Amino acid sequence: KNQVEQSPQSLIILEGKNCTLQCNYTVSPFSNLRWYKQDTGRGPVSLTIMTFSENTKSNGRYTATLDADTKQSSLHITASQLSDSASYICVVSGGNSGYALNFGKGTSLLVTP
Amino acid sequence: GAVVSQHPSWVICKSGTSVKIECRSLDFQATTMFWYRQFPKQSLMLMATSNEGSKATYEQGVEKDKFLINHASLTLSTLTVTSAHPEDSSFYICSARRAQVDTQYFGPGTRLTVL
Repeated sequence: KNQVEQSPQSLIILEGKNCTLQCNYTVSPFSNLRWYKQDTGRGPVSLTIMTFSENTKSNGRYTATLDADTKQSSLHITASQLSDSASYICVVSGGNSGYALNFGKGTSLLVTP
Repeated sequence: GAVVSQHPSWVICKSGTSVKIECRSLDFQATTMFWYRQFPKQSLMLMATSNEGSKATYEQGVEKDKFLINHASLTLSTLTVTSAHPEDSSFYICSARRAQVDTQYFGPGTRLTVL
């Protein structure tokens, strides 16, 4: 069964601090992995996308890593801001149905002043 | 580019009525559109996949007669929740994909509340 597990489920950090979110998956065959940011009451917005051959990708203060051998990914947020408060969802594309998206349950991040 | 809009952004209706939600790809042609439902603090759950000009494919457990999907053009898909009940209250999100591109672009979502 294709699964995507995220940890922690929720996280509270102080403004300006860094944090790292984790994503483990069992999706096979693997196509790509995306991290999305979803603000409350809004649709997901793509942060990064990585294919099998990519180990790291940055988008501003967001840096995603991928270890396709261990099927793990992380999203590192540097110098957090209050606006980073959101749910971060790991989505793995692949599986036998090709383009199917497999969603993690998300990590709820709260950045406090 | 690759902007997807949804209308309305929120809707409140009485139990037993039907509600239509529109999903539009504003600057590209979407050969495939997806409809998701998201309950509070849960991840997105795929309801159905629709290809332009053909019948939608529904995920297991989703009633096709209750959630009517129409994908009449390459830029518009509609989801109609028929005879809505309070348990249908949820956040409905659509996404769109171009032909031969493995990326889904998500809309901003529609909050449905059934009284």
